[in-house]
Amino acid sequence: AQSVTQPDIHITVSEGASLELRCNYSYGATPYLFWYVQSPGQGLQLLLKYFSGDTLVQGIKGFEAEFKRSQSSFNLRKPSVHWSDAAEYFCAVGSNFGNEKLTFGTGTRLTIIP
Amino acid sequence: EPEVTQTPSHQVTQMGQEVILRCVPISNHLYFYWYRQILGQKVEFLVSFYNNEISEKSEIFDDQFSVERPDGSNFTLKIRSTKLEDSAMYFCASRERDGYYEQYFGPGTRLTVT
Repeated sequence: AQSVTQPDIHITVSEGASLELRCNYSYGATPYLFWYVQSPGQGLQLLLKYFSGDTLVQGIKGFEAEFKRSQSSFNLRKPSVHWSDAAEYFCAVGSNFGNEKLTFGTGTRLTIIP
Repeated sequence: EPEVTQTPSHQVTQMGQEVILRCVPISNHLYFYWYRQILGQKVEFLVSFYNNEISEKSEIFDDQFSVERPDGSNFTLKIRSTKLEDSAMYFCASRERDGYYEQYFGPGTRLTVT
């Protein structure tokens, strides 16, 4: 069965500092990988996705993620965080086969301090 | 940009009552999904729908739940007799087709069962 692990429940970083959120997945076939962001009381916004090809993918709001097959990881990074990045971040795995569902991790809550 | 819409944004109901959550997926999409997120927890898959029938459902999606696409635009989730533990945010999502296409999520409906 597919699964996603986000080992960090809560991360606090200073504004302007770099950020890395960890994501490890378990999936039996070639995975499609996603990062979504959720602000309090809001829906899910897609930050970036990996389907194939270049393992370093760029997303919106200055985020990037690197797919490492050997480590079953898809970590999210940002070189310099802004106060508006404070939110909950979810990693998800799926596939390209028809209507297959997404499986989400438990999320990482990001707090930004001035 | 096309988006998935959901109504209502917040629904309060009494235990034992029936509720219908409504979604309008993006118009040319073929695959439809419902997910739920209990407060403070991860997003969980409920059901996927394709070609006017359920493709996959999770253990959560028991006989109290049903989905329907009554016309060419709406996609509904019905909970026949709500329980306190059904209180959650319910997200609708749609996907255009197989292959390199992501799921687009609606803003969610917060269901509160009292």
